[in-house]
Amino acid sequence: EAQVTQNPRYLITVTGKKLTVTCSQNMNHEYMSWYRQDPGLGLRQIYYSMNVEVTDKGDVPEGYKVSRKEKRNFPLILESPSPNQTSLYFCASSEQGNEQFFGPGTRLTVL
Amino acid sequence: SQQGEEDPQALSIQEGENATMNCSYKTSINNLQWYRQNSGRGLVHLILIRSNEREKHSGRLRVTLDTSKKSSSLLITASRAADTASYFCATDLYSGGGADGLTFGKGTHLIIQP
Repeated sequence: EAQVTQNPRYLITVTGKKLTVTCSQNMNHEYMSWYRQDPGLGLRQIYYSMNVEVTDKGDVPEGYKVSRKEKRNFPLILESPSPNQTSLYFCASSEQGNEQFFGPGTRLTVL
Repeated sequence: SQQGEEDPQALSIQEGENATMNCSYKTSINNLQWYRQNSGRGLVHLILIRSNEREKHSGRLRVTLDTSKKSSSLLITASRAADTASYFCATDLYSGGGADGLTFGKGTHLIIQP
């Protein structure tokens, strides 16, 4: 089944404790991206990647890192999480210019 | 920056009625896409309309695109309770060959009253 998976689905952590949210797709898509969704703000793009070893900043990259060492994986790294990074995070993948397939979301709470 | 803006922000109609949502955007696009999101869950792709298309249908969904007005509309006919969700338009910007990703609006929250 074609899908985008994210782990964990729910995470509660404390300020400053490094964390990684994994994202994996099985559709051989070149393009992957991360979004955060906050009430009243809609979805905002954090980082995107057009292919292996190619990443670029989206609209809200501060406080986040990504890597794209393999085509199928695109982890999101929070080196030192802060409470303002409490949000619902979505990973997505696509072929360029086509519909994006979204993961189920990761709900992160930073205390 | 927010590219697409949906209107209205919220819409409540009776089951069986038609629901229309609008989206306006600011710059040239490759395509415009509509997504649905049930509460707190992942987004599901509904329709993609390219910049050289004016209208597209998929089941009970009809999407129009007016590039001269930089606007799009999503029509859901014969609405059902299961259509209750948030609907987002997303623009894929023209960037000369690169893919910058989708820019989403804030969404229209649609409630279908039984």
